[in-house]
Amino acid sequence: AQSVTQLDSQVPVFEEAPVELRCNYSSSVSVYLFWYVQYPNQGLQLLLKYLSGSTLVKGINGFEAEFNKSQTSFHLRKPSVHISDTAEYFCAVSPNSGYSTLTFGKGTMLLVSP
Amino acid sequence: EAQVTQNPRYLITVTGKKLTVTCSQNMNHEYMSWYRQDPGLGLRQIYYSMNVEVTDKGDVPEGYKVSRKEKRNFPLILESPSPNQTSLYFCASRPGQGNQPQHFGDGTRLSIL
Repeated sequence: AQSVTQLDSQVPVFEEAPVELRCNYSSSVSVYLFWYVQYPNQGLQLLLKYLSGSTLVKGINGFEAEFNKSQTSFHLRKPSVHISDTAEYFCAVSPNSGYSTLTFGKGTMLLVSP
Repeated sequence: EAQVTQNPRYLITVTGKKLTVTCSQNMNHEYMSWYRQDPGLGLRQIYYSMNVEVTDKGDVPEGYKVSRKEKRNFPLILESPSPNQTSLYFCASRPGQGNQPQHFGDGTRLSIL
């Protein structure tokens, strides 16, 4: 079984500041990793995913994440946030074995203020 | 446009009155899933389906039923709703392989009084 820990339930940050949202996972097998974003009153949208290869993954809206196998982490970063980045962010993991299910973390609310 | 459509978007009902939340996708995806989202708990999987007539329990299946008679539809059924099922529900779909991202509907907010 897999599990995902998002260490911060809320991250307040000022506009144009850098941000890092932390995600650690636990799994006995190799995994695929995802970050999703949920804007208010909307469903989830994919930000980026790690399947294999380069450990630095770039996504939409200027976000990127780095897969660190030794630390079982997949932290999300953005060098300069905008007010419009205010949303809830979910890290998710699935085993890389065909028809597998997705396990989500509890989410991190990113609050960007002027 | 590729999408996952849930209906209704909002529903207030009473304990014990059977209800169905419909989910339909137009992407010919094999895999479909239902989640509930509660504050501080993230998304928890209720049921999923690998293909037509193939369904399986997720992490929190108690009190729910599903069916997959057609590839595009995956309704969620609450036979006897209770207040602890008040939540925000999401349907999602993806192609069969687990390396493909899931596409989510816009959510259904259920209130059970």
